[in-house]
Amino acid sequence: AQSVTQLDSHVSVSEGTPVLLRCNYSSSYSPSLFWYVQHPNKGLQLLLKYTSAATLVKGINGFEAEFKKSETSFHLTKPSAHMSDAAEYFCVVSGNNRKLIWGLGTSLAVNP
Amino acid sequence: NAGVTQTPKFRILKIGQSMTLQCTQDMNHNYMYWYRQDPGMGLKLIYYSVGAGITDKGEVPNGYNVSRSTTEDFPLRLELAAPSQTSVYFCASSLPPGGLSYEQYFGPGTRLTVT
Repeated sequence: AQSVTQLDSHVSVSEGTPVLLRCNYSSSYSPSLFWYVQHPNKGLQLLLKYTSAATLVKGINGFEAEFKKSETSFHLTKPSAHMSDAAEYFCVVSGNNRKLIWGLGTSLAVNP
Repeated sequence: NAGVTQTPKFRILKIGQSMTLQCTQDMNHNYMYWYRQDPGMGLKLIYYSVGAGITDKGEVPNGYNVSRSTTEDFPLRLELAAPSQTSVYFCASSLPPGGLSYEQYFGPGTRLTVT
């Protein structure tokens, strides 16, 4: 069975410093992995996705994630946080029946 | 393209009332989904559909019904509202998964409160 664990429920960074949001997954085969972002009282937007091509995936707004099979991880990073990055971030893995399995989310706060 | 649209944006129901949450997509996607998001939680799949006339249960289908008479529309019906159904509801759509590669496009959500 597939599962996904977001290792931090809350992350707080200062504006201009790096962002790291951690995600580990469990899958019996090569998964597809996604990061979605949800701004307060807004819908969900796809940041980036991994689909068995390049292991370093670049997304929108300067975010990127690296698929590491040996560590079963798909951590999300950004070199320099911006105030507008404050949001809830979800790591998602595709299940063997094509359904998405969602992590519980990481709330990112960006301090001025 | 409007993408995925949902109505209403907000609704307050009394216990035992019924309502239908509307979802429409204009991307000609075969697959459509209904999720609920409870505070501080990820999304849980209620029902999904792989095409007109075909629906199936997700993780948390109890208390809900769906229908899919057209490719565009996928309404979610609550028959006897209960406080446990207070949540934010998201509709999504996608192309048929080619291999393992696909993404879902989400509507803006419906915030439902049952009191």
